[in-house]
Formats: sequence, structure tokens, C-alpha cells
Amino acid sequence: AQSVTQPDIHITVSEGASLELRCNYSYGATPYLFWYVQSPGQGLQLLLKYFSGDTLVQGIKGFEAEFKRSQSSFNLRKPSVHWSDAAEYFCAALGDATNKLIFGTGTLLAVQP
Amino acid sequence: GAGVSQSPSNKVTEKGKDVELRCDPISGHTALYWYRQRLGQGLEFLIYFQGNSAPDKSGLPSDRFSAERTGESVSTLTIQRTQQEDSAVYLCASRTRETQYFGPGTRLLVL
Repeated sequence: AQSVTQPDIHITVSEGASLELRCNYSYGATPYLFWYVQSPGQGLQLLLKYFSGDTLVQGIKGFEAEFKRSQSSFNLRKPSVHWSDAAEYFCAALGDATNKLIFGTGTLLAVQP
Repeated sequence: GAGVSQSPSNKVTEKGKDVELRCDPISGHTALYWYRQRLGQGLEFLIYFQGNSAPDKSGLPSDRFSAERTGESVSTLTIQRTQQEDSAVYLCASRTRETQYFGPGTRLLVL
């Protein structure tokens, strides 16, 4: 079955530290991949997406993600975290035979001063 | 341009009452989705509209849930005889090509 896994439920980093949020997918073929961020009380905002081509994609707010086919992963990274990055992050995938996004369970990011 | 809007932002209702949630998609987006997000969980697909095609209702959890969409505009999600387990954030998204854009959600609390 198609699935998206975010192994880390909760991560805490210090402000200014680097960040990597993990995402793995299970699909028959390479799906379209997305990262969304949800701030408290807000809807989901698209950070970045991967469809094809260059495996390192740049997004908004200084985020980037790297697609690794061999590992079925699409990890989100940021070199220096800001306090305003505290939020919940969702990885999602869209298979080519469906119009439905499959979401991971999310990773809640806390940022320490 | 305007994003996806949803109303109301918050809704508190009593068990057994019906509720109606509204979604205004981005103009020109032919596809519209409803999701449910329970506390501490990811997003759960409910229903999908694409143009004039029959909606994909495969995610609706029970026959108490229904949704309608008028053409390529507003959609309403109706929950009849609400139960406490219906308490959640209900998110709407509209899509252009492969990318979905989400509204702020409606927070439903069933007492």
C-alpha cells in the first residue's frame, strides 16, 4: 500500500542549529513529493515540491529537500533554524494513479532559544 | 490573489446536531479536497471533487458525512448527528495541476 512515513514525531533544536526532518515513502513508482508546514492554528502552507529533475529542491523560508530514490526518502533541511520555524511539518506524496495526497503523521518542531 | 477560504473558523456544537462547513477554493482550480485532522494526527482524506466528474467519496468515514460542490466553486461539507469523535480540524484544499493549496481549516468541537 502507498504510504508516507515520518519517523520523528517530535524534534527540538536550538535556534541557529541545522535541521533535518526525515520522510520516507512507499510507492510503486516515484511519486510527486511535497513538504507542508502548519503553524499553530493555521492551515497548511506549501514549502516545496519535487516532481522530477534536480533532486535537490529549494523552497520558501530557506528550506530545501533532497530526493533520494535509493533510500525512498525526501528529507527536509534547513542550515540555520529560526524561532519562527517552530511548527508541525508534513511530508506528502501524490501517486501517478491517484489524485489523493497521502500524508505522513507529521513532525512537531520545537525551537529552543 | 486570494487563497482558499473556509468558514466558520471555529464551530462548537452539541452532540446530535448537524453542522455545515464551507470552502471557497482558489478561482480557476477545478479540483477540491476535504481532509480531517484529528488532534495529534496527520491528515485524513475525506472526499475529492474534480470538475463535473462524480466525486471520490472513498474517505468519508460514515453516511453521516456528505459534501457538495456547485460547479467549480463553493463546497460544503455536512456532518449529520454529530458525535464527539467528529471533533477535529476540517481542511479544504484546491488544486492546480499537481499542487494542493490549503485553507486555514474549521475547528469543530462536539460537546
